[in-house]
Amino acid sequence: KNEVEQSPQNLTAQEGEFITINCSYSVGISALHWLQQHPGGGIVSLFMLSSGKKKHGRLIATINIQEKHSSLHITASHPRDSAVYICAVTSGNTPLVFGKGTRLSVIA
Amino acid sequence: DAGVIQSPRHEVTEMGQEVTLRCKPISGHNSLFWYRQTMMRGLELLIYFNNNVPIDDSGMPEDRFSAKMPNASFSTLKIQPSEPRDSAVYFCASRPGLTYNEQFFGPGTRLTVL
Repeated sequence: KNEVEQSPQNLTAQEGEFITINCSYSVGISALHWLQQHPGGGIVSLFMLSSGKKKHGRLIATINIQEKHSSLHITASHPRDSAVYICAVTSGNTPLVFGKGTRLSVIA
Repeated sequence: DAGVIQSPRHEVTEMGQEVTLRCKPISGHNSLFWYRQTMMRGLELLIYFNNNVPIDDSGMPEDRFSAKMPNASFSTLKIQPSEPRDSAVYFCASRPGLTYNEQFFGPGTRLTVL
């Protein structure tokens, strides 16, 4: 079974700061997901990637398949980015395996 | 499409009572997943179905938990009898097929067992 580790567990940043959240996994995968969950809210898929880099607005996700590592970057962070960010991986037709999440607080 | 629909959104019950959570997947999606989220353990897979057939229920914690998918548009997760440690948010998710990677989550049901 894949082991997914995220770091840091908790992160507090000032508005405008560049933020990086890391995810590593133990077994080769077919896809990695970054999910966002606001307090008391549902889970929204931000990115699904299997190689390279994807960008959406101020969010950038990268993955290094050889190193089994992915990063989620947030540029010019804003208080509305405060949420839990969850990394999840899948291999072929297997269900998602989740990291424990990174709780981000962006202070104005 | 309305997305994945779950009901109820909130449930408060007393220990020993039966609890039934419901999920309607996105139309046309063949795979359905039930997850539980707690502060301590994060998101955990309980069970998943493909074409209404349970594929893997190894995540179901105990015999008190059962799940059914009688047709392609409806699934239930039942806890009988409920215990305080079952308090969590239960998410249902669906995707077009097992080989399709993107998954769509419902809003969750927040269960509190007193």
